[in-house]
Amino acid sequence: AQKITQTQPGMFVQEKEAVTLDCTYDTSDPSYGLFWYKQPSSGEMIFLIYQGSYDQQNATEGRYSLNFQKARKSANLVISASQLGDSAMYFCAMRVPMNRDDKIIFGKGTRLHILP
Amino acid sequence: DAGVTQSPTHLIKTRGQQVTLRCSPKSGHDTVSWYQQALGQGPQFIFQYYEEEERQRGNFPDRFSGHQFPNYSSELNVNALLLGDSALYLCASSSAGTANTEAFFGQGTRLTVV
Repeated sequence: AQKITQTQPGMFVQEKEAVTLDCTYDTSDPSYGLFWYKQPSSGEMIFLIYQGSYDQQNATEGRYSLNFQKARKSANLVISASQLGDSAMYFCAMRVPMNRDDKIIFGKGTRLHILP
Repeated sequence: DAGVTQSPTHLIKTRGQQVTLRCSPKSGHDTVSWYQQALGQGPQFIFQYYEEEERQRGNFPDRFSGHQFPNYSSELNVNALLLGDSALYLCASSSAGTANTEAFFGQGTRLTVV
């Protein structure tokens, strides 16, 4: 069965510090995609970064980077130089598009609080 | 280029009523998925539509049904509403069968059942 686990329900981080949000996943399929989404209080799910299972390099998008450790089935999100606007819920998600079974599975999320 | 749009943004219904939520996918996307997100939880997959057919379904009762139109837009219908159906309903659009593209989400419809 496919599963995403986020073990940090909430985190408090000082502004301008780097923060790592943990994510582990479980799938037996060789082809999959891993995503991180940010959800502010408005509710919209904002795409942050993507990592494919066959990608050799860790994904980076501006201040976001994904620490992909395939053997450990880990896909942690690193936010550098955190800002007050980074306060939100963060979801790790996985997509395994095999045949007709193509859906995104989400973890329970981590609520990040950036302190001034 | 408009992203994923959902309507309405907020809705209040009474127990036992029926509700229809609407979603227009991002241009170029042919697959629409619906998710239910209860307060403080991650989104839960309801079902997915592709080529106007329900392609797969999560663990939701038959009270939840949907439809996809030829222009790829989609509707989510919920019959006999329960208080527990109160949630944020998210629509996501994507291109079928490609793991290396993200799904784009709409802003959601916040449904309150009283």
